[in-house]
Amino acid sequence: AQSVAQPEDQVNVAEGNPLTVKCTYSVSGNPYLFWYVQYPNRGLQFLLKYITGDNLVKGSYGFEAEFNKSQTSFHLKKPSALVSDSALYFCAVRPSDSMNRDDKIIFGKGTRLHILP
Amino acid sequence: AAGVIQSPRHLIKEKRETATLKCYPIPRHDTVYWYQQGPGQDPQFLISFYEKMQSDKGSIPDRFSAQQFSDYHSELNMSSLELGDSALYFCASSNSGLAGVRRPNPRETQYFGPGTRLLVL
Repeated sequence: AQSVAQPEDQVNVAEGNPLTVKCTYSVSGNPYLFWYVQYPNRGLQFLLKYITGDNLVKGSYGFEAEFNKSQTSFHLKKPSALVSDSALYFCAVRPSDSMNRDDKIIFGKGTRLHILP
Repeated sequence: AAGVIQSPRHLIKEKRETATLKCYPIPRHDTVYWYQQGPGQDPQFLISFYEKMQSDKGSIPDRFSAQQFSDYHSELNMSSLELGDSALYFCASSNSGLAGVRRPNPRETQYFGPGTRLLVL
């Protein structure tokens, strides 16, 4: 079964420190990978995606993610955290098989990121 | 830039009532997706439409139906509401942009609306 795992329910990071939010996936073929952020009472905002090419993807608000095929991971990173980064982060995957009827996004359970001032 | 618009933003209904949620995609986007996010849960895919035809179906109850209209907006119709239907309902849109291809392009990013918060009492 296709799935996305975010092993940490919550991550606490001091402001100015680097942050990592972990994500691993299990899908057939080469997946398309996404990160979305959800602020309180708001919709999901697209951060970045990996389709193909360079394994390090840069996205909005200074975030980046590294695709590691051997470890089936797509961890979200930022060199220096801001208090305003505090939010709920969702990792997501879509299968890449062009014959696959499934065009839905499969979301992880989400990781709540707390940036401490 | 224009974003995905959802209406209403909040809705309160009683059990066994019906509700209709509306989604207006980003202009020139041809694909609409519906997701349900329960309290403290991750979003779960319900159904999607590409060029006004259903393209994929997820965990949408039989009590729910949806369609995409000629102007690409979509409506999610929910009948015989149950307490468990209380959730945040997101609509997302994308632009497949592939002439002659009769299905969505999974490469395209989905952009989400602000959601409709439904409370069933």
